[in-house]
This record gives sequence, C-alpha cells and structure tokens, in this order.
Amino acid sequence: AQSVAQPEDQVNVAEGNPLTVKCTYSVSGNPYLFWYVQYPNRGLQFLLKYITGDNLVKGSYGFEAEFNKSQTSFHLKKPSALVSDSALYFCAVRGSGANNLFFGTGTRLTVIP
Amino acid sequence: ETGVTQTPRHLVMGMTNKKSLKCEQHLGHNAMYWYKQSAKKPLELMFVYSLEERVENNSVPSRFSPECPNSSHLFLHLHTLQPEDSALYLCASSRTSGGPQETQYFGPGTRLLVL
Repeated sequence: AQSVAQPEDQVNVAEGNPLTVKCTYSVSGNPYLFWYVQYPNRGLQFLLKYITGDNLVKGSYGFEAEFNKSQTSFHLKKPSALVSDSALYFCAVRGSGANNLFFGTGTRLTVIP
Repeated sequence: ETGVTQTPRHLVMGMTNKKSLKCEQHLGHNAMYWYKQSAKKPLELMFVYSLEERVENNSVPSRFSPECPNSSHLFLHLHTLQPEDSALYLCASSRTSGGPQETQYFGPGTRLLVL
C-alpha cells in the first residue's frame, strides 16, 4: 500500500528563518516524490520532484527537498522564509509500479512578519 | 498560471439540479484527471482519462459522470448531488497517465456548494 504522512497540520516560522515541512512515505518499489503548494483560492502548483539521483532536489521559489531513503522521508526546506511563502503544502508519492499519485493531508505554513 | 483552466470557479447548486464542470488544458498533454479536495483530507482521485479513454474510476458514485471529448477538454457532469459532495474539485493534466515520474499540473479548481 502507498501512503504519505505529513505529521504537522500547521507550521509557523518567522520571516527570514529557515523552514522545514515534513513528509514521510510508504510505497512498494522505488518512490517518486513530489511537493505542491496551494495558495488561497488556487489549485496546486508543482514545486519540485525526486525521481532518482542526487538526494537534494532544488525547485521553484528557492525551495528544496531532501530525499532520505533510510528514513523514508522527503522534507521540504527553504533557507530563509518569506511572508509570501504562507500557503498549504502537499507532499505526494507514487511507487514505481503504480499509476496513481497519493497525497498527504497538507501542512499549512504561516510565515510571521 | 499552469496552463489548466477550470470553469466555473464557484458553483452553488441544489440537490435536484444538474450542472457541469469544465476543464481545459493548453499544455498538449494526453492525460487528464478529476480530484476532490475536502478539508483535512488527502486529495481523492476520482477519474483518469488517457487519450480520451477512461482508465481509472475510483469507486465514484454515479451521480458524478465524467466526459472527455478530446485530449484538451474534460467535463464532470453533476446530478442529484448530496451536501457531502460540497468540496473543491480540481482538474489536472500530465503528458501521459503512465510513468511514475510524470508531473501533474492542476487547474485552480471549482468550489462547489450543494444545498
């Protein structure tokens, strides 16, 4: 079975501080991992994905994510948070033998000025 | 924007109404998807179309009826809905439906309220 866990419903961080949004996964076979962001009244926007290769993946808007196979994690990070980063973040996973993309429940990030 | 548009953006309907949601993608993709997004729940995949053929139907009630007339357009026809069907309905597209590395691109969604 495939699943994604985002253990934090809400993350608050001060502007300028580093941010981390956590994601752990469970899949059969090799994992293909994605992060999406959703701003109010908008659809999901693709941020980045891990397919293979370097464990550190860089994406849009200065975000990056680190794939950790032993911990089955794919945490989203940014060195310096902006107020405009405040949004809902979704982690998603697909196993190598699966067609469907499984999403987590989302983490609401609030960056405090 | 992502190249995927959805209309209407907001819809209020009674339980006896019939309405349709429309999705259009301008990315040249061959696969299109309908998802349901409810608060505090993971996105629920409803339907998948590949090259205009339905390849996935995730046990969705028959009051939701999809239609894909061509690879650029996807509809979701709604009839006799229930209040619990109120949600944000998201359309997405990708180059193909197979291939685990494929990225899906989402539209802005239709916020549906069933009274």
